[in-house]
Amino acid sequence: SYELTQPPSVSVSPGQTASITCSGDKLGSKYACWYQQKPGQSPVLVIYQDNKRPSGIPERFSGSNSRNTATLTISGTQALDEADYYCQAWDSSTAVFGGGTKLTVL
Amino acid sequence: EEQVVERGGGLVQPGGSLRLSCVVSGFTVSSNYISWVRQAPGKGLEWVSVIYSGGSTYYADSVKGRFTISRDNSKNTLYLQMNSLRAEDTAVYYCARGGSSSLNYGMDVWGQGTTVTVSS
Repeated sequence: SYELTQPPSVSVSPGQTASITCSGDKLGSKYACWYQQKPGQSPVLVIYQDNKRPSGIPERFSGSNSRNTATLTISGTQALDEADYYCQAWDSSTAVFGGGTKLTVL
Repeated sequence: EEQVVERGGGLVQPGGSLRLSCVVSGFTVSSNYISWVRQAPGKGLEWVSVIYSGGSTYYADSVKGRFTISRDNSKNTLYLQMNSLRAEDTAVYYCARGGSSSLNYGMDVWGQGTTVTVSS
């Protein structure tokens, strides 16, 4: 079965750029999405189709996807961006989530 | 406002059954791909099942043969019938809306989730 791999944790200083990776076999040939989940809350879609932002998502969130790796980039990271982030892709009508990355802003 | 509200969670014994509901408002349940996604305590997101706008259904291997996704267009409601429940099915279950024409638009509307606990 298809798998997506994320680093368990990423740390970033306020105002700096955070990058969270998601690796999977030939992931670049699929569309990647990213979700943000804060403690006790439901997930929120922040990136779809590799690099598109839903309405209401700040411009500091961006995405890319090439070859085997998708990347979520948060520019000018703010304290409110501290959360768990999950990548997701579809593989033959099956959705696959990465294991999640805890982003710490310190 | 486009919204989904999950209901039906609770405590059930191993081997038991439960039916979850996802009441849709602001859009029609048959117009979008809609998934069930679960999250075990302290764990990550796990996709469970999807129903296409055309009615096709797909399942994660972990629930195939035990769970059934369906919808009632007249009630604008999605269901997840869960049979032969196991302790490892314990999780918060979310209903999540996908795109209207493709799977690749991400899941942009999520409910607050309903908690299923499988324990004796």
